[in-house]
Amino acid sequence: SQQGEEDPQALSIQEGENATMNCSYKTSINNLQWYRQNSGRGLVHLILIRSNEREKHSGRLRVTLDTSKKSSSLLITASRAADTASYFCATEEAEAAGNKLTFGGGTRVLVKP
Amino acid sequence: EAGVTQFPSHSVIEKGQTVTLRCDPISGHDNLYWYRRVMGKEIKFLLHFVKESKQDESGMPNNRFLAERTGGTYSTLKVQPAELEDSGVYFCASSQETSGNYEQYFGPGTRLTVT
Repeated sequence: SQQGEEDPQALSIQEGENATMNCSYKTSINNLQWYRQNSGRGLVHLILIRSNEREKHSGRLRVTLDTSKKSSSLLITASRAADTASYFCATEEAEAAGNKLTFGGGTRVLVKP
Repeated sequence: EAGVTQFPSHSVIEKGQTVTLRCDPISGHDNLYWYRRVMGKEIKFLLHFVKESKQDESGMPNNRFLAERTGGTYSTLKVQPAELEDSGVYFCASSQETSGNYEQYFGPGTRLTVT
């Protein structure tokens, strides 16, 4: 299986609700990053959480990291239709040369107005 | 400040032809990365430049792919000859540093379709 697996693969919610998605990984990491991709567009960096951090906030986004379980979660509060996108976690492995990112398969989020 | 740009946005070629993708990183970013996402699969790392030098090319699938970054500015990724399985979206990213925890800024990607 892949480094960086995301759960669920797809999520459909009503505007105003919260959306939570999870990411699991296998190796030691320097950091974990979350990206968003709107349909047909590039990847937009959302947030980076370092391996020694447990929680981070940015606007309506909350990210947690549990290195003992090798997992992370992304919470989007008070979702909006504009949050409809695919969300990817990516890890920078601690033992890898350079700082290449290893991506998960992504979670497709649909926010219905 | 301009972001990472890629050209073309979409390319349709026939099997056996050659295609060259271009990436212009954010000005001042020494680190440039290529990734790709083929149909139904995860986004995969291809290679990493530090200035004009290849730091890590462990993700390059085979010798039909050639990446260059002459002068340490923009980069090109050539596929020659293209095969059907090369279809997908090719992303470029750049970052300011590699010494721990610098985010990578991605371009919009080039969608390559090989028919």
